[in-house]
Amino acid sequence: NAGVTQTPKFQVLKTGQSMTLQCAQDMNHEYMSWYRQDPGMGLRLIHYSVGAGITDQGEVPNGYNVSRSTTEDFPLRLLSAAPSQTSVYFCASSSGTSLSDTQYFGPGTRLTVL
Amino acid sequence: AQSVSQHNHHVILSEAASLELGCNYSYGGTVNLFWYVQYPGQHLQLLLKYFSGDPLVKGIKGFEAEFIKSKFSFNLRKPSVQWSDTAEYFCAVTQGGYQLIWGAGTKLIIKP
Repeated sequence: NAGVTQTPKFQVLKTGQSMTLQCAQDMNHEYMSWYRQDPGMGLRLIHYSVGAGITDQGEVPNGYNVSRSTTEDFPLRLLSAAPSQTSVYFCASSSGTSLSDTQYFGPGTRLTVL
Repeated sequence: AQSVSQHNHHVILSEAASLELGCNYSYGGTVNLFWYVQYPGQHLQLLLKYFSGDPLVKGIKGFEAEFIKSKFSFNLRKPSVQWSDTAEYFCAVTQGGYQLIWGAGTKLIIKP
């Protein structure tokens, strides 16, 4: 199993540009989520999904969209990038829809918005 | 709202020293508690977790953590650290639902 994969690893955007961060898992996990990690702060949940076709907002959803058309993929879209979205983005998945299940993380995407 | 505090942002120890990393959460009631670790260049991975039962939880690589409900704490311990324990350690809490609340992390450096 490849586990949780994320692309790209690094990205530089200009303010106002849009882009999609890709996340895929091959473990047939129901639960997937996106976090951002900023210096001196813990991970903050952006959006999550408990199954195909079901998504919900986390702690910091503004400026981001998600969709879950398949169990495997959970892309994160930045609609109009802002410097405040400079961060490291992690995707995670777990087998159940309960957080009692271990979450598996991708390697992260380091995004810089100029 | 629930919050998680990890009081030490950086810890430097020599090999064979004992380790204790603090984690406190703010809200009482039933909680589920986790420690995750991120080794240099690697993914975040679960170290250990507490849901119920014995408040002393053992995890991978010789780590353990003790849940003390009266102190709202879930401190991580290891009796003798190794150079390979150099990593960033994160405490996280959930009260059910689908959201984990994370601490800011502690960067641990072990001097050989």
